Amino acid sequence: GAVVSQHPSWVICKSGTSVKIECRSLDFQATTMFWYRQFPKQSLMLMATSNEGSKATYEQGVEKDKFLINHASLTLSTLTVTSAHPEDSSFYICSARGWTSGGPRETQYFGPGTRLLVL
Amino acid sequence: GQNIDQPTEMTATEGAIVQINCTYQTSGFNGLFWYQQHAGEAPTFLSYNVLDGLEEKGRFSSFLSRSKGYSYLLLKELQMKDSASYLCAVLDSNYQLIWGAGTKLIIKP
Repeated sequence: GAVVSQHPSWVICKSGTSVKIECRSLDFQATTMFWYRQFPKQSLMLMATSNEGSKATYEQGVEKDKFLINHASLTLSTLTVTSAHPEDSSFYICSARGWTSGGPRETQYFGPGTRLLVL
Repeated sequence: GQNIDQPTEMTATEGAIVQINCTYQTSGFNGLFWYQQHAGEAPTFLSYNVLDGLEEKGRFSSFLSRSKGYSYLLLKELQMKDSASYLCAVLDSNYQLIWGAGTKLIIKP
């Protein structure tokens, strides 16, 4: 099946630092990439949607200046958490949507997630 | 508005069969997905239905009725490793995935 990689898988940082998370679709071109956040025992929460070469669309309540998204190519998107604070500690999951050979149309595949802990 | 409903939690016994229902009301329909999410992990793709009927894939089957706005995920021969949350999601007319809140499935020995 299609693979989406996410790096790093774990980040521990001090309050005030910035953290960059990379998301890559490895064997298909992602027409759209999504960034989710999930707090313990809660549902996935969509943060933003991005298409290659255009600005990301942020969900209500998500600060675009704090969570910078760059969708540089059809296989790479990055999320930068700027000036991270303890309340930003969460599980960040990227997802890439595209059509893979032999798969259903426009399936959305998830990366393994990045655990961010801000001290 | 758009809405996906599924039970919050279900409990079943190892070796048994469980059916997780999902009803939806969305602006347009371009398919329904089921994902499995184990605690602390990202979701993994299970199935995709765009036409009415039953799709079988090993121990898991997924059913869709577009006229009723209804789907179910059927899990047979339950194993302890099937304990997870199961997410129903609908691709709407804008090709946006609308997510249900997920059903936490607890398997007991």
